Amino acid sequence: AQSVAQPEDQVNVAEGNPLTVKCTYSVSGNPYLFWYVQYPNRGLQFLLKYITGDNLVKGSYGFEAEFNKSQTSFHLKKPSALVSDSALYFCAVRDPSGNTPLVFGKGTRLSVIA
Amino acid sequence: DAGVIQSPRHEVTEMGQEVTLRCKPISGHDYLFWYRQTMMRGLELLIYFNNNVPIDDSGMPEDRFSAKMPNASFSTLKIQPSEPRDSAVYFCASSLALHSYEQYFGPGTRLTVT
Repeated sequence: AQSVAQPEDQVNVAEGNPLTVKCTYSVSGNPYLFWYVQYPNRGLQFLLKYITGDNLVKGSYGFEAEFNKSQTSFHLKKPSALVSDSALYFCAVRDPSGNTPLVFGKGTRLSVIA
Repeated sequence: DAGVIQSPRHEVTEMGQEVTLRCKPISGHDYLFWYRQTMMRGLELLIYFNNNVPIDDSGMPEDRFSAKMPNASFSTLKIQPSEPRDSAVYFCASSLALHSYEQYFGPGTRLTVT
């Protein structure tokens, strides 16, 4: 069975500092990995995904994520945080060997402080 | 494309009443998903459809919940009778396929049952 864990409920970072939102996964084979962001009173919005190829994936709004197979991780990063990045972030995984939809983590709330 | 459309955006109803939530997926998307989001439980997958056929409804909490997809451009989620514990934000999402494709979420319907 596939699963994903976001170990931090809340991440606080000062504006201008780098940010990292952590995600680890468990699948039987090579995973498909996704990050979504949810702003207040909005639906989830796709940020980026890793399917194959380069382990460093670049996405919307200056975000990137690095796939690390040995550590089964897919942490979301941004070099310089903005106050407008404050939102709820979800990691999701899919096992491509099966016929199941995305499995989402519980979400991590990011607060960027001016 | 207008994206995934959900209606109503807000619904307030009394316990025991029937509630119907509506969703129009992105044109051409073969998969449609219904999710529920609460503070306590996070994001839960309720049911998903492929080509208008329900594939997995194991997430539907009780027999009071039912979902239909009469055609490729319309789906409903019905709760009858509604209870206060059904209060949540309900999201509809669609995707081209399961494989490596991301899901696109609607803005959600905030349901309050008093």
